[in-house]
Amino acid sequence: GNSVTQMEGPVTLSEEAFLTINCTYTATGYPSLFWYVQYPGEGLQLLLKATKADDKGSNKGFEATYRKETTSFHLEKGSVQVSDSAVYFCALTTRDSNYQLIWGAGTKLIIKP
Amino acid sequence: AAGVIQSPRHLIKEKRETATLKCYPIPRHDTVYWYQQGPGQDPQFLISFYEKMQSDKGSIPDRFSAQQFSDYHSELNMSSLELGDSALYFCASSLVMGGPIDEQFFGPGTRLTVL
Repeated sequence: GNSVTQMEGPVTLSEEAFLTINCTYTATGYPSLFWYVQYPGEGLQLLLKATKADDKGSNKGFEATYRKETTSFHLEKGSVQVSDSAVYFCALTTRDSNYQLIWGAGTKLIIKP
Repeated sequence: AAGVIQSPRHLIKEKRETATLKCYPIPRHDTVYWYQQGPGQDPQFLISFYEKMQSDKGSIPDRFSAQQFSDYHSELNMSSLELGDSALYFCASSLVMGGPIDEQFFGPGTRLTVL
């Protein structure tokens, strides 16, 4: 079946540090991959996505590359800010599953000034 | 740009009561998804509709039902509420025909508290 595994949190970093949140997946067919962000007390926002191998999604300084050979979609940012503190969810959809989102468990990111 | 609208934003109910959550998708979107997110958990897919027909079903309890109406808005009906139903309920919409079919746009959620 389809599944997403992402690194456990919380991840605590200092401002301006480099961020990596690991995400790996198992899927039948050719999934589309997503990172969603949930700020405290708010809903889910699409951060970035990639729909085929070697695609790189990017937004607000965050990047993730769809790596088919390692079935990974790691989220990176070169210099984090306090305002990046949130929960980050890796997710996928496939045509086989009628495009319902399959979610990772979420990684809480805490950025200290 | 118009976003997904959910109402109410907050709802408090007693055990064994019923609740109705509403979702208004982005105009011209043809697909609606419902998700349940318990405290500190990832969202769980409940049910989806494409062109007013149920298209997929996830971990939706039998006490819950949902439908999509002719104007594409959707309602999630929850009966015999239990304490464990306390969660954030998200609705998302997408455009399957002619759009980026795999991209879902989320509403702000309805926070349901069952006492």
